[in-house]
Amino acid sequence: GQQVMQIPQYQHVQEGEDFTTYCNSSTTLSNIQWYKQRPGGHPVFLIQLVKSGEVKKQKRLTFQFGEAKKNSSLHITATQTTDVGTYFCAGIYLNYGGSQGNLIFGKGTKLSVKP
Amino acid sequence: DTEVTQTPKHLVMGMTNKKSLKCEQHMGHRAMYWYKQKAKKPPELMFVYSYEKLSINESVPSRFSPECPNSSLLNLHLHALQPEDSALYLCASSQYHLSLTSGRGGNTIYFGEGSWLTVV
Repeated sequence: GQQVMQIPQYQHVQEGEDFTTYCNSSTTLSNIQWYKQRPGGHPVFLIQLVKSGEVKKQKRLTFQFGEAKKNSSLHITATQTTDVGTYFCAGIYLNYGGSQGNLIFGKGTKLSVKP
Repeated sequence: DTEVTQTPKHLVMGMTNKKSLKCEQHMGHRAMYWYKQKAKKPPELMFVYSYEKLSINESVPSRFSPECPNSSLLNLHLHALQPEDSALYLCASSQYHLSLTSGRGGNTIYFGEGSWLTVV
């Protein structure tokens, strides 16, 4: 089946440092979504990217969608302790059998921030 | 109101029990989903309902039985579960099934807080 690869699996940063997580698909995505899940919590939708080369910003978070719509990244500038959690990308494939239109989650990147 | 409400929040059941998880949304969404999430793993899709009809069953064992009584409610009936079925069960909803809006924006998916299930 389709897979979305996400790296790194874990990232430990000092508060104030930047953080980036990357997602990659071997086939073209229709859309990609990003979620944040706090420890013990549920996934919370952050953003959806649709267009090739799209860049969106939410305060200190910058999301990018690659030109070929096969990769995406989330960059956090000057991390804060409130950024702690697991960040998941989730791709949507338009033309693939049973996965059509369903979210395929990456394995997530767990971010810890040292004060 | 942008909530997906799940009950119960925690459930402990024996392998011979029959129980149900419930999910409710009042956002007028026509697509509802059940996901299973094991510790330190991403959510895995179990079932999708679109306009109250089951559209996707991702090869889930028959001991899990979904039900969509109406457009606002989604149930997951549990029977004869195994200890390895212990997990966080997440309900989610979106305005439309994602396949209907692929390539376009909007159509945010909202997840409930989940039901923590322990099978003993």
